Amino acid sequence: NAGVTQTPKFRVLKTGQSMTLLCAQDMNHEYMYWYRQDPGMGLRLIHYSVGEGTTAKGEVPDGYNVSRLKKQNFLLGLESAAPSQTSVYFCASSRQQRETQYFGPGTRLLVL
Amino acid sequence: GENVEQHPSTLSVQEGDSAVIKCTYSDSASNYFPWYKQELGKGPQLIIDIRSNVGEKKDQRIAVTLNKTAKHFSLHITETQPEDSAVYFCAASKAGYALNFGKGTSLLVTP
Repeated sequence: NAGVTQTPKFRVLKTGQSMTLLCAQDMNHEYMYWYRQDPGMGLRLIHYSVGEGTTAKGEVPDGYNVSRLKKQNFLLGLESAAPSQTSVYFCASSRQQRETQYFGPGTRLLVL
Repeated sequence: GENVEQHPSTLSVQEGDSAVIKCTYSDSASNYFPWYKQELGKGPQLIIDIRSNVGEKKDQRIAVTLNKTAKHFSLHITETQPEDSAVYFCAASKAGYALNFGKGTSLLVTP
């Protein structure tokens, strides 16, 4: 039982490049979330999903897209990376919306 | 939307002392208040949560209190140990809405 895993752990991009961050959970959770964490800003919700095939915008969705084609996977895409997207990205999952969220180890992204 | 403010942003205590972190929220409809602990290089992990039908909840050295009238809730850690050093986040949400996190408190417990 791996919990929540994230791929990759670290990535460097040039401005304008695209990439996809992968989140996988093996707990059969309905809800999945993508957050970004910046110094002094706490955790800010980018997008979330309430079930397979559904997605919704969070607090800071601009510049990101997501997909939840399979229940266990939640993908975060950056179509044209910008330096402002340099951050640590965390994925989380939960059984229900207001129950314990289980976080992955994070992906550190640097956009030059 | 919901606004969660957390204080202090940094807190340093001596081993064995108590630590208190306070959060206020703006939406009176919020009724779920979890606390997460984030160790260096790791993702946050839930340590305790409280729902609005109770005023206090304890789990060993950790307790959370909730004052719905004043719209604030606090995390209390007693007999602090060096392994309590971490960043702590409070959060709040209401039915049908995602969690809103505070900006975090960096707790340092010195031996």
